Amino acid sequence: KQEVTQIPAALSVPEGENLVLNCSFTDSAIYNLQWFRQDPGKGLTSLLLIQSSQREQTSGRLNASLDKSSGRSTLYIAASQPGDSATYLCAGLTGANNLFFGTGTRLTVIP
Amino acid sequence: EPEVTQTPSHQVTQMGQEVILRCVPISNHLYFYWYRQILGQKVEFLVSFYNNEISEKSEIFDDQFSVERPDGSNFTLKIRSTKLEDSAMYFCASRRDLGTGAFGEQFFGPGTRLTVL
Repeated sequence: KQEVTQIPAALSVPEGENLVLNCSFTDSAIYNLQWFRQDPGKGLTSLLLIQSSQREQTSGRLNASLDKSSGRSTLYIAASQPGDSATYLCAGLTGANNLFFGTGTRLTVIP
Repeated sequence: EPEVTQTPSHQVTQMGQEVILRCVPISNHLYFYWYRQILGQKVEFLVSFYNNEISEKSEIFDDQFSVERPDGSNFTLKIRSTKLEDSAMYFCASRRDLGTGAFGEQFFGPGTRLTVL
């Protein structure tokens, strides 16, 4: 069964800093990997999707990479802003066509 | 920009009652999903639906749960006899068919918070 782990569980950084969030999964047979943002009590906003054949995707200040062989993905956030404060979730799509989610990293960006 | 919508945003019910959670997926999407998130825990897959039938379901999706696409726009999750442990945020998601063999992005609705008393 797929297990997805995210480290760290919580992170607090000053505004302007670059940061990296980590995601690891046990079953490398994933079809794609999605990164989401979740604000408290709210839904999931899709940030980036990386297909299994890709190594990275970029959107604005966000860059996500995928290394299937090691079972790892990272989300890089450049020049962090207070508005980036949220919980970030990674999720791998399995052959059963459903997403397996990690527990998330709660990010706080201090003004 | 098209988005997945869900109603109601909050639902409070008594244990043993039936509830129906409603979702309107993005209009040109063909794959539909329900997930749930118990407070403080991971988002968990419940069921996927394609071509008017269930594609996959998790162990959580037992006989108390059912899904339906009653018309061309709505996608519903019914819990027949709610239990205390069904209290959670329920998310609907949809994705389109890329037609390339690749799997596209899943877009999530804002969720329905279900509280069972």
